Amino acid sequence: DVKVTQSSRYLVKRTGEKVFLECVQDMDHENMFWYRQDPGLGLRLIYFSYDVKMKEKGDIPEGYSVSREKKERFSLILESASTNQTSMYLCASSILAGDTDTQYFGPGTRLTVL
Amino acid sequence: DQQVKQNSPSLSVQEGRISILNCDYTNSMFDYFLWYKKYPAEGPTFLISISSIKDKNEDGRFTVFLNKSAKHLSLHIVPSQPGDSAVYFCAASGRSTNAGKSTFGDGTTLTVKP
Repeated sequence: DVKVTQSSRYLVKRTGEKVFLECVQDMDHENMFWYRQDPGLGLRLIYFSYDVKMKEKGDIPEGYSVSREKKERFSLILESASTNQTSMYLCASSILAGDTDTQYFGPGTRLTVL
Repeated sequence: DQQVKQNSPSLSVQEGRISILNCDYTNSMFDYFLWYKKYPAEGPTFLISISSIKDKNEDGRFTVFLNKSAKHLSLHIVPSQPGDSAVYFCAASGRSTNAGKSTFGDGTTLTVKP
């Protein structure tokens, strides 16, 4: 079974802090994604990566950056956390151009910025 | 411009009856559609998918129907069970243009009453 793990389930940070969210997948997937989920807004794509050191902006990249130094690990960075970044953050992975576009999600990180 | 829309934020049905969740899309380049299910405090999990070359795909109690001319798909759950209570996300991808990246709807919260 595919396993996607996220470093924290719950995180509380202060405004202006630098925040790192880590995601690791164990199925050798090429694609990795970061989403945020907010009530009534569904899943919004922040960034995705289809290879090591490659990244592409999603729909809402402002205020975020990412890092992919190894195939299995994709990090989301909030350079200076703000209260409007309080959200559920979900990481996912998938095979590049496989038979399906099924994404496998981690359990999520509930981030609160005070 | 929201390319994937789930117009019903919530749906409540009685146990044993049919649940029908709807999804509309606007982008003609989408050729693969997926449904995900999400329980609170967990990441979404893949439920069922359909390629644009088909109009129906069935997996146990779950059936997805695709109407390409109307740019509409629906998920039928028969019979509904209390354990089906969750948020359901519709997702679409254009595999010929952007393999692996999906666009998600806002989700529909299904409540199945015993």
